[in-house]
Amino acid sequence: SQTIHQWPATLVQPVGSPLSLECTVEGTSNPNLYWYRQAAGRGLQLLFYSVGIGQISSEVPQNLSASRPQDRQFILSSKKLLLSDSGFYLCAWSEQGYNGYTFGSGTRLTVV
Amino acid sequence: AQSVTQPDIHITVSEGASLELRCNYSYGATPYLFWYVQSPGQGLQLLLKYFSGDTLVQGIKGFEAEFKRSQSSFNLRKPSVHWSDAAEYFCAVGEYGNKLVFGAGTILRVKS
Repeated sequence: SQTIHQWPATLVQPVGSPLSLECTVEGTSNPNLYWYRQAAGRGLQLLFYSVGIGQISSEVPQNLSASRPQDRQFILSSKKLLLSDSGFYLCAWSEQGYNGYTFGSGTRLTVV
Repeated sequence: AQSVTQPDIHITVSEGASLELRCNYSYGATPYLFWYVQSPGQGLQLLLKYFSGDTLVQGIKGFEAEFKRSQSSFNLRKPSVHWSDAAEYFCAVGEYGNKLVFGAGTILRVKS
């Protein structure tokens, strides 16, 4: 069966520090991968999605970037964190063509 | 463009009472429709989905939803709410092969 792993679960980082959040999927090939951010009371904001290795689409301009170095690995990064980057980050995957998503358990990022 | 409206930000119901969470969508073709539930600090879990066929769909945890094309709605229902149902609920709409669009969410509180 397919599983999605996301880590770390919580992270406290100082302003200006770098960020790397990782998401991996097991039990499937060539999934669509997604990064969402959830700020308090603001629903789900799609940040990036990827339909294949090295293929990244950005939904909103921001201080973050994403990479997909392997088929089932999706990384969210920042060179210098801002206070406004605080939030709950969710990774999700779906099969190609089918758009029901399976979500990871999320990372709570607090920038101080 | 697709859009999803969840008109109720917060809903409070008594334990044992019935529940209906509203969802309206804007979409040109027959949509793919989903309801997800999120417990605090957790990822999103799929409750149910509608692709085609019977417009009344059954999900996990005793939830059901009805697709009404004439009203562009996909409301979530449960006949008897349990305290463990307290969570945030998200409606989502999509097209085969494309990204999901999520509503802003409805926070359900259950009072004993």
